[in-house]
Amino acid sequence: DSGVTQTPKHLITATGQRVTLRCSPRSGDLSVYWYQQSLDQGLQFLIQYYNGEERAKGNILERFSAQQFPDLHSELNLSSLELGDSALYFCASSGTGLLSEQYFGPGTRLTVT
Amino acid sequence: AQTVTQSQPEMSVQEAETVTLSCTYDTSESDYYLFWYKQPPSRQMILVIRQEAYKQQNATENRFSVNFQKAAKSFSLKISDSQLGDAAMYFCAFIPGTYKYIFGTGTRLKVLA
Repeated sequence: DSGVTQTPKHLITATGQRVTLRCSPRSGDLSVYWYQQSLDQGLQFLIQYYNGEERAKGNILERFSAQQFPDLHSELNLSSLELGDSALYFCASSGTGLLSEQYFGPGTRLTVT
Repeated sequence: AQTVTQSQPEMSVQEAETVTLSCTYDTSESDYYLFWYKQPPSRQMILVIRQEAYKQQNATENRFSVNFQKAAKSFSLKISDSQLGDAAMYFCAFIPGTYKYIFGTGTRLKVLA
């Protein structure tokens, strides 16, 4: 158990809908990262937050947005969903510093039908 | 653009033998960090080993070691005394100073009994 929790574990929804994925980082970790892993693909970095502020943005679509709240949990919002958005979405957390290990949550499996 | 390439989609190794997974990257930065992560069938991402680019000495963690060739932009992972539990997808990751994490497409390692 990495200490990072993600809810829900599975999500099935229809095209055009909007969903929210939730992540709670490890106790004490200020950084939260979101990744997308499509079937049998590598991880695509979406966005990073540090102590409530956006620190880095990767290949995140405009239909996607995220935020980190004062209690450090984070939410990833996906809207106008398309079939291609079906993927495993990981959240990770870490301490400060680029060398800090990222602790990954178990992921949320999103299926868009 | 910064990229990470894992040219071996799949590798096999006999139990107790040694295997090397390759990773190359492209960057114009001089300071960065490199990681290897393991993703077993459970899909949980687990840190294997990490390396700071300014350190000449290759990182080692028990049976796992890297061969870091900065000039060649190569960061290979060597697994000694392979065990059945080492079977997983292995991802190489490059982290520049911008915090935009870049993962390779992965190498699936099979361990044969």
